[in-house]
Amino acid sequence: DADVTQTPRNRITKTGKRIMLECSQTKGHDRMYWYRQDPGLGLRLIYYSFDVKDINKGEISDGYSVSRQAQAKFSLSLESAIPNQTALYFCATSDRGQGVGELFFGEGSRLTVL
Amino acid sequence: KQEVTQIPAALSVPEGENLVLNCSFTDSAIYNLQWFRQDPGKGLTSLLLIQSSQREQTSGRLNASLDKSSGRSTLYIAASQPGDSATYLCAVDLYNFNKFYFGSGTKLNVKP
Repeated sequence: DADVTQTPRNRITKTGKRIMLECSQTKGHDRMYWYRQDPGLGLRLIYYSFDVKDINKGEISDGYSVSRQAQAKFSLSLESAIPNQTALYFCATSDRGQGVGELFFGEGSRLTVL
Repeated sequence: KQEVTQIPAALSVPEGENLVLNCSFTDSAIYNLQWFRQDPGKGLTSLLLIQSSQREQTSGRLNASLDKSSGRSTLYIAASQPGDSATYLCAVDLYNFNKFYFGSGTKLNVKP
């Protein structure tokens, strides 16, 4: 089983719908991240969390919210999806504070908003 | 804000060539720099991580170097193979923030 698991892997939805992307990890890391990838733009940080009570906005947080339900779980929500939120979304964890600060990624969630 | 740039954006080489991918960053107060490989539509696979105090790291045919003073890192791939075809991304972790900033990647095509 993957150390960082994202569900769903693929999702097609309509404009205005609420969507939740879930991430769970078995690595025991405190630090978790949500990134968005668009063609030609690299990865951009949406939200990050250093522990259950510490959640921070990234560079593109508008239109998104997150929940850190436990050390191992970090969910990303789109309250009212719009077409320009169509992208590949990645969850990641970091072992900084426990190791050398390596970043580990899930397989990604491809979201299409029609 | 940290700006990370990767040059070239795309590269096509014949099999067997040695090649260099470049990554530059604007803020030298980094904690580490990590190189990733991404196959189309897939997740990111970590290749090498260079800590701030290190100058280079090696894994098999891959060698990554770091020069903080000039804000540059290079990924050297020796004896390239068609299986190396992928997009390569670098990510920089700022020392005080633990936020990773990514370049937009170099898309590599190794022709048989």
